[in-house]
Amino acid sequence: DQQVKQNSPSLSVQEGRISILNCDYTNSMFDYFLWYKKYPAEGPTFLISISSIKDKNEDGRFTVFLNKSAKHLSLHIVPSQPGDSAVYFCAGYYSSNTGKLIFGQGTTLQVKP
Amino acid sequence: DVKVTQSSRYLVKRTGEKVFLECVQDMDHENMFWYRQDPGLGLRLIYFSYDVKMKEKGDIPEGYSVSREKKERFSLILESASTNQTSMYLCASGGTGVNQPQHFGDGTRLSIL
Repeated sequence: DQQVKQNSPSLSVQEGRISILNCDYTNSMFDYFLWYKKYPAEGPTFLISISSIKDKNEDGRFTVFLNKSAKHLSLHIVPSQPGDSAVYFCAGYYSSNTGKLIFGQGTTLQVKP
Repeated sequence: DVKVTQSSRYLVKRTGEKVFLECVQDMDHENMFWYRQDPGLGLRLIYFSYDVKMKEKGDIPEGYSVSREKKERFSLILESASTNQTSMYLCASGGTGVNQPQHFGDGTRLSIL
């Protein structure tokens, strides 16, 4: 059972435009959602998170939106830069799960100059 | 800055060998995790540990074991390597707080021939 799903394996956008990466989840017990970014040959790095009691969190060019009724979250990158080209993973966390993260399959973002 | 160090970036082993992957973290984190990353499947949790000598199975523990004798070190063991264990292996560590994201090492690309 895939509790966190990223249904788009890849996304291509032009430099300067908005990138929107989507994530759906099935488990209502998640307390937090996190986004990680991964370059080839490197480990994932934490990007931004959002508490389940909020609907938006912003950090510079990155904004995460949470729609609990739809069990959907999205990561917006504005403006997109070529250095943003990477694989993006969303993950759900719930404290009763001993701190485990449940990851989606990942979306590969390509930002074209 | 948190540092999670994996002992090898690339490793080639033969079917049937016993393989050890080592991971060390320098932030005194209670929790440590082993994942494998495969295309289209995202990050899947193999084992995790929330304290010294404590371990719990993740989603795909078959064919693996772990050891945590010291807080900073978490080892993944492939008891008898098989070709379907060829993958990217990622170690992570994190605190126990709800808002303490996991930090990842750079990964070990393991090939089983």
